[in-house]
Amino acid sequence: EVQLVESGGGLVQPGESLRLSCAASGFTFRSYWMHWVRQAPGKGLQWVAMIKGDGSQKFYVDFVEGRFTISRDNARDSLYLQMDNLRAEDTAVYFCAGGLGWTAQYWGQGTLVSVSP
Amino acid sequence: EIVLTQSPGTLSLSPGERATLSCTASQSVTNNFLAWYQHKPGQAPRLLIDDASDRATGIPDRFSGSGSGTDFTLTISRLDPEDSAVYYCQQCAHSPLTFGQGTKVEIK
Repeated sequence: EVQLVESGGGLVQPGESLRLSCAASGFTFRSYWMHWVRQAPGKGLQWVAMIKGDGSQKFYVDFVEGRFTISRDNARDSLYLQMDNLRAEDTAVYFCAGGLGWTAQYWGQGTLVSVSP
Repeated sequence: EIVLTQSPGTLSLSPGERATLSCTASQSVTNNFLAWYQHKPGQAPRLLIDDASDRATGIPDRFSGSGSGTDFTLTISRLDPEDSAVYYCQQCAHSPLTFGQGTKVEIK
């Protein structure tokens, strides 16, 4: 059974940092593109970043570039999102997702990040 | 960036009726790399359709996708109460990947 389990969310103040993790199981993690997608309260889905299976390519949405860093550890079947200089507008549920191509075939349940003074 | 516009914003239909959801792209989606997802509150989104018309594994054949270029459609042929959800299209051809704003399907 495929599982993606996010962790690391929480309440932080503006300007602070947070590192999200996603533990994968049930599929060949190293072969999959992995994504972070977020959903702000009352809003729709918003793609944030993706990383190729071997980690050689990374892409970001423009408003997180330079603040967020996506990475992976294929030995641990884990995906990460380092979020620095967080802003109130980064408040959202963050989902981990993965697919053989750029489509997100598998999804986790999400972890909540709240940025507030 | 490719902007996706979904319509209608909300669809309210009875069980057994047919739902037609539209997704229009601001420019052509290369190779029709367009996906549809179903999202229920508090749950993980679920992939329904890949590459505009390919049903994902385990998805009932009530769900079908069509279209090409800039105009795409998700059809739910016979609505079931469990289909109540928000449906999103996403273009997976160009970075940044983008989602439409969603269509909420309500079952009367």
